Amino acid sequence: GEDVEQSLFLSVREGDSSVINCTYTDSSSTYLYWYKQEPGAGLQLLTYIFSNMDMKQDQRLTVLLNKKDKHLSLRIADTQTGDSAIYFCAEKAGGGADGLTFGKGTHLIIQP
Amino acid sequence: GAGVSQSPSNKVTEKGKDVELRCDPISGHTALYWYRQSLGQGLEFLIYFQGNSAPDKSGLPSDRFSAERTGGSVSTLTIQRTQQEDSAVYLCASSFDRAGETQYFGPGTRLLVL
Repeated sequence: GEDVEQSLFLSVREGDSSVINCTYTDSSSTYLYWYKQEPGAGLQLLTYIFSNMDMKQDQRLTVLLNKKDKHLSLRIADTQTGDSAIYFCAEKAGGGADGLTFGKGTHLIIQP
Repeated sequence: GAGVSQSPSNKVTEKGKDVELRCDPISGHTALYWYRQSLGQGLEFLIYFQGNSAPDKSGLPSDRFSAERTGGSVSTLTIQRTQQEDSAVYLCASSFDRAGETQYFGPGTRLLVL
């Protein structure tokens, strides 16, 4: 079945780059997503990438996709305290699937 | 409205009672999704609507869970005879259509079953 894996925690210093990694198992994935969730809040779509792309950049965010290894990463440049949140990787499988499959989320902790 | 809205934002109920959770999708979005977020299970897909029909109910955890959508807009998720394990955050999302590449989420309803 579909499975999305992420590390539970990542700690970085303010101003450094954060790299959050994700692996997935479904080779038919059409889109892959990064969502951000702050305490007590819903899910905010950060960015997404179509499966035939290998990179997407949006301001401080860079998404890299290695389809061969089924590996997705999110790089946040110049990490700020406001980036402290849980980051979820998600995939939309092919074959008519409708719901997204999410990882358990990575808690990004910012050290001053 | 500008985004997906859900009500109530918080709900506390007693075990055995029925609850109704409401979702208002983004205007013009024909696809609507319900998810559940709990500590043990993470984020799980429950059900998907295209217009008023639900072609995919595969994620509903038991027959105590049901959902409907009327007028191609508002959706209601109903949990009958609630159990303590139903305690979770119930999230609703919408997208322009089934093929829409982005699902936009509401703030969720926090359900606590005592």
